[in-house]
Amino acid sequence: DVKVTQSSRYLVKRTGEKVFLECVQDMDHENMFWYRQDPGLGLRLIYFSYDVKMKEKGDIPEGYSVSREKKERFSLILESASTNQTSMYLCASSSDPGYGYTFGSGTRLTVV
Amino acid sequence: GESVGLHLPTLSVQEGDNSIINCAYSNSASDYFIWYKQESGKGPQFIIDIRSNMDKRQGQRVTVLLNKTVKHLSLQIAATQPGDSAVYFCAESIHQKGNQFYFGTGTSLTVIP
Repeated sequence: DVKVTQSSRYLVKRTGEKVFLECVQDMDHENMFWYRQDPGLGLRLIYFSYDVKMKEKGDIPEGYSVSREKKERFSLILESASTNQTSMYLCASSSDPGYGYTFGSGTRLTVV
Repeated sequence: GESVGLHLPTLSVQEGDNSIINCAYSNSASDYFIWYKQESGKGPQFIIDIRSNMDKRQGQRVTVLLNKTVKHLSLQIAATQPGDSAVYFCAESIHQKGNQFYFGTGTSLTVIP
């Protein structure tokens, strides 16, 4: 089975800190995605990547950046954390178009 | 003042009964659909998928129905069990637009023992 691993389950950070959320997948998938999930708003796409060193903005990229230096790793960066970035962050990966995502377990980030 | 958050639609069913969870999708060009289950504290897990050339697909205890005319998707769970308690949401995608999915907000299912 494909495994998508997010490095932290829970994080608490202070306002203004630079925050790194790491995601690693072990099945050589080309496509990787970062979502945030908030009650009543569903999953909203932050950034995605279809290849190494490639990135595309999703629906809500403001305040975030990403890095994909290796195929298996996709990092989400909060340049200067703010309280409105408190959320559940989900990483996902997939192979060819037409197949669903495999999600990680999520990172619940609290910014205080 | 006090802020009120948005709430998920909820469904409560008795253990052993059948559950039906509905989803209205937005894009008539969507041609691939997935239902995901998300248990508390976990990431979403794939349950079942359906392509637009089908109107029904069955899995183990689950059935997905697709009505393209009204852009409606439903998930039926037979003989619902306590372990089925979770948030369920649908996702749609358009094949020619690559592998990007759009997700519904979800329905919270509670199974009453």
